[in-house]
Amino acid sequence: QQPVQSPQAVILREGEDAVINCSSSKALYSVHWYRQKHGEAPVFLMILLKGGEQKGHEKISASFNEKKQQSSLYLTASQLSYSGTYFCGASARSNDYKLSFGAGTTVTVRA
Amino acid sequence: SQTIHQWPATLVQPVGSPLSLECTVEGTSNPNLYWYRQAAGRGLQLLFYSVGIGQISSEVPQNLSASRPQDRQFILSSKKLLLSDSGFYLCAWGGTPIYGEQFFGPGTRLTVL
Repeated sequence: QQPVQSPQAVILREGEDAVINCSSSKALYSVHWYRQKHGEAPVFLMILLKGGEQKGHEKISASFNEKKQQSSLYLTASQLSYSGTYFCGASARSNDYKLSFGAGTTVTVRA
Repeated sequence: SQTIHQWPATLVQPVGSPLSLECTVEGTSNPNLYWYRQAAGRGLQLLFYSVGIGQISSEVPQNLSASRPQDRQFILSSKKLLLSDSGFYLCAWGGTPIYGEQFFGPGTRLTVL
């Protein structure tokens, strides 16, 4: 079962912040975050493992709340380059080779 | 460094025609390989994955099949395309999800008319 992402879309002005959530009805072991620009392949941003670890990539960070079975991606002081569709991918077990991806959140950053 | 190639980049095929998409990976050995399909404006649907030569796991029953004839080669095929097969096909390679990310190829945009 694929994780649920919210919101579906968000429009920001440069410098504004946003949060994207990724929730699962099943226990999560790892969560991956990717960004896809229009017409291009998704690019890896970060991976979070079970344990509530928080990571960062430039001014993009993420958290993993094991109890809530949820991960959140934080876009801080957004830049034009942050525009794209963000996907979370989740695995339920440590030996799981597969990722189930959410439907994506489209982020548009305007000048 | 590792690179992943897919071809062709775009393809327009009539309904009922066969399909063969190829993906090759360089710079790594025994990778896990994945085929995804992305419909327009939609998320990533895992179609097949492979943990080794000749080992294919199918995620969604459909009109497609996959093969892995060599360690770093992954092929997606169909005998007869349907309109619903249109989409953006992405090949990816990676280790186990807990140890590393998946690296995606440039994709093939398939239009079935």
